[in-house]
Amino acid sequence: DTEVTQTPKHLVMGMTNKKSLKCEQHMGHRAMYWYKQKAKKPPELMFVYSYEKLSINESVPSRFSPECPNSSLLNLHLHALQPEDSALYLCASSQDFGAYEQYFGPGTRLTVT
Amino acid sequence: AQRVTQPEKLLSVFKGAPVELKCNYSYSGSPELFWYVQYSRQRLQLLLRHISRESIKGFTADLNKGETSFHLKKPFAQEEDSAMYYCALRGGGFKTIFGAGTRLFVKA
Repeated sequence: DTEVTQTPKHLVMGMTNKKSLKCEQHMGHRAMYWYKQKAKKPPELMFVYSYEKLSINESVPSRFSPECPNSSLLNLHLHALQPEDSALYLCASSQDFGAYEQYFGPGTRLTVT
Repeated sequence: AQRVTQPEKLLSVFKGAPVELKCNYSYSGSPELFWYVQYSRQRLQLLLRHISRESIKGFTADLNKGETSFHLKKPFAQEEDSAMYYCALRGGGFKTIFGAGTRLFVKA
């Protein structure tokens, strides 16, 4: 399996809801990333996990809570989001934190109403 | 500060014509530069990186430290090259920063 998978593909949630985005890879990669991509904008890094430990948090609001339960899984827990959080959320992985190539998932299109 | 600038939002060329997608960067150290591509309805994927100095799908990119540029070039564009292209920089801390992207449209 040489892909990064993300579920769900689309998510619509209200501002009081709690939801989670899921990312999975079975390539043995030890670094995993969350990016946020607004329409017509480039991806912006949110979090990086290396060997299941949070290595980078790009000053992301606490309403986004990442979790890496094991080396293959990465979750992003969402709570009390704002409409401006609507975006495409991309997950990526790389062999390790220093590896140059990141493999991206297809993304989850999130709409906050 | 680390910054990647892609001055063209849209680039339209005819099939068979040369194409150059511009990328300039700002970084005080020795950066790693990459080009990522996103074809329609496909995921973002690495096209090439400056260290490897390779040609992928006919594309090349040369790092010019004097001009702080990493332009992507192809001598003869094909319709299947139509996509969104992102120049990216990885500096200290292994954080990757993406440029705003250039949409390449190759006309028949």
